[in-house]
Amino acid sequence: GNSVTQMEGPVTLSEEAFLTINCTYTATGYPSLFWYVQYPGEGLQLLLKATKADDKGSNKGFEATYRKETTSFHLEKGSVQVSDSAVYFCALSEGGTSYGKLTFGQGTILTVHP
Amino acid sequence: GAVVSQHPSRVICKSGTSVKIECRSLDFQATTMFWYRQFPKKSLMLMATSNEGSKATYEQGVEKDKFLINHASLTLSTLTVTSAHPEDSSFYICSARDNRIRGRADYGYTFGSGTRLTVV
Repeated sequence: GNSVTQMEGPVTLSEEAFLTINCTYTATGYPSLFWYVQYPGEGLQLLLKATKADDKGSNKGFEATYRKETTSFHLEKGSVQVSDSAVYFCALSEGGTSYGKLTFGQGTILTVHP
Repeated sequence: GAVVSQHPSRVICKSGTSVKIECRSLDFQATTMFWYRQFPKKSLMLMATSNEGSKATYEQGVEKDKFLINHASLTLSTLTVTSAHPEDSSFYICSARDNRIRGRADYGYTFGSGTRLTVV
């Protein structure tokens, strides 16, 4: 079956530091890959996505590249802000009969200090 | 944009009682609702998928008689945890989408803010 593995947190950084959150996946087909973010007290929000190999998703300074050869989708940001403090989830979804189902990683808590 | 309101955000109940969690889509019609459960330091696990007007499809290992899902309208789905026990304590979150909207690469999921259930 499908699975997603994220680096364990929590991750604590100072403002303007470089961020990497690792994500690797296993899937039987050709999944779409997502990063979701959950701010305190809110629902999950789509941060970025990539639907095929070598696609790069980007949003709000965050980037992730769909690497089929390493089955990875690592999240990066060059300079984090305090407002980036949240829980980040890597996820995948496949088409076919599983269309619409998301498989999540365990989430990584990010805390950014001033 | 699309919003899903999930209520309550936190609930504490006594063992043996039932708890109902509601998810409402506020500005779109949720043809499909997904219910997830998250254990501490674990990923969100899909419990069931429900389509409006149909019986929910439960994932393997999820007790359908314990976790009752109702999706009677296009804007409301409920999850009832029946005869709750301490091991049911968890974080429950819903996700809704309108399957009639095609072509969205993000599949159009909108998540609720989650419910923290504690059974004492």
